[in-house]
Amino acid sequence: AQKITQTQPGMFVQEKEAVTLDCTYDTSDPSYGLFWYKQPSSGEMIFLIYQGSYDQQNATEGRYSLNFQKARKSANLVISASQLGDSAMYFCAMRGEGSNYKLTFGKGTLLTVNP
Amino acid sequence: DTAVSQTPKYLVTQMGNDKSIKCEQNLGHDTMYWYKQDSKKFLKIMFSYNNKELIINETVPNRFSPKSPDKAHLNLHINSLELGDSAVYFCASSHRGGRDEQFFGPGTRLTVL
Repeated sequence: AQKITQTQPGMFVQEKEAVTLDCTYDTSDPSYGLFWYKQPSSGEMIFLIYQGSYDQQNATEGRYSLNFQKARKSANLVISASQLGDSAMYFCAMRGEGSNYKLTFGKGTLLTVNP
Repeated sequence: DTAVSQTPKYLVTQMGNDKSIKCEQNLGHDTMYWYKQDSKKFLKIMFSYNNKELIINETVPNRFSPKSPDKAHLNLHINSLELGDSAVYFCASSHRGGRDEQFFGPGTRLTVL
């Protein structure tokens, strides 16, 4: 069984500062993928970044980077230079081979960027 | 040029009614999904189809029945709606049997009165 834990229900950050959103996972699959999605107040789910379990380097996409620590089973999202538009719910998700590649989501972290 | 579309966006109905939600993707993906997001924002997989074949069927009441007429469409039919069915339902699609990232539709907010 797969499990994703996001321990921060809410986070606050000042505009232009960096913020880290925590995500830990548990799986018995030897190969898996980790994803982060953003859900603004308008409700749509936006794919941000992906990390494969065998990827040697941490994933980066613009201002988003994934701090992947395999031994610790953590996949934290780092947002640099926060913008007001980053205020949203952020979900960490995992996909494993042994589960027909279904996505298992964490409970989410609500990020608020203050001006 | 919408990638994953769902209709309707909002659905308000009475308990006991039957309703359907439609999903279409124009990304050429081979795998489609239905997720339910409850009032606490928790997202959970319901069903997944790969090339029109059901591959994931989570613990969902029999009142929910997915149908995939072709690879680009996945519909969700719900019989005898209950208050607890009120939620946002998301359709998603991905490529390579789910190995790639999933792209989500805009969601359908279902309210059962």
